[in-house]
Amino acid sequence: QKEVEQNSGPLSVPEGAIASLNCTYSDRGSQSFFWYRQYSGKSPELIMFIYSNGDKEDGRFTAQLNKASQYVSLLIRDSQPSDSATYLCAVMNSGYSTLTFGKGTMLLVSP
Amino acid sequence: DAGITQSPRHKVTETGTPVTLRCHQTENHRYMYWYRQDPGHGLRLIHYSYGVKDTDKGEVSDGYSVSRSKTEDFLLTLESATSSQTSVYFCAIAHREGRETQYFGPGTRLLVL
Repeated sequence: QKEVEQNSGPLSVPEGAIASLNCTYSDRGSQSFFWYRQYSGKSPELIMFIYSNGDKEDGRFTAQLNKASQYVSLLIRDSQPSDSATYLCAVMNSGYSTLTFGKGTMLLVSP
Repeated sequence: DAGITQSPRHKVTETGTPVTLRCHQTENHRYMYWYRQDPGHGLRLIHYSYGVKDTDKGEVSDGYSVSRSKTEDFLLTLESATSSQTSVYFCAIAHREGRETQYFGPGTRLLVL
């Protein structure tokens, strides 16, 4: 059974700080990795995807991938109260693009 | 929202009754998925479809069946609902952006009494 692990949190950061969210995965053959944001009572919203080792930046978000360590992270710079949500890490399985999700990390950004 | 709708959005039913949830997409995506989300478990795959009449089981398929008779609709059926199937159900499609990327519908909240 493929596993994706995340700290449940909550991770509390002050407004303007950098929030760092981490994820590890068990399947060394995994190739595609995703970060979703989910507000309470809403559906998951795709933020970032990353396929190659290293960093990928999109606005205030940076995804980092280290396949040797089986580790994916999401950095949120200049955190805003509106970033308060649960962040889901997902790993794509081979075959028909199914995803295995972590249980999510709750992020709280205080004004 | 990737052109995905789910119906109903909320449903209360009784144990033992059949329930069908519908996922409808307007953009001709080939791959569709059903997930359930529960506290402490996260999102778990129930069933998925890779084309009309082509479906397969996911991680938590027991007690569920699916059908896809046309590209735009993917139905999830609880043949005889149980309280353990109380959950939030999300449909997703896979959109190719270099590689397949999943987008989610708004969800259906199901309460089985």
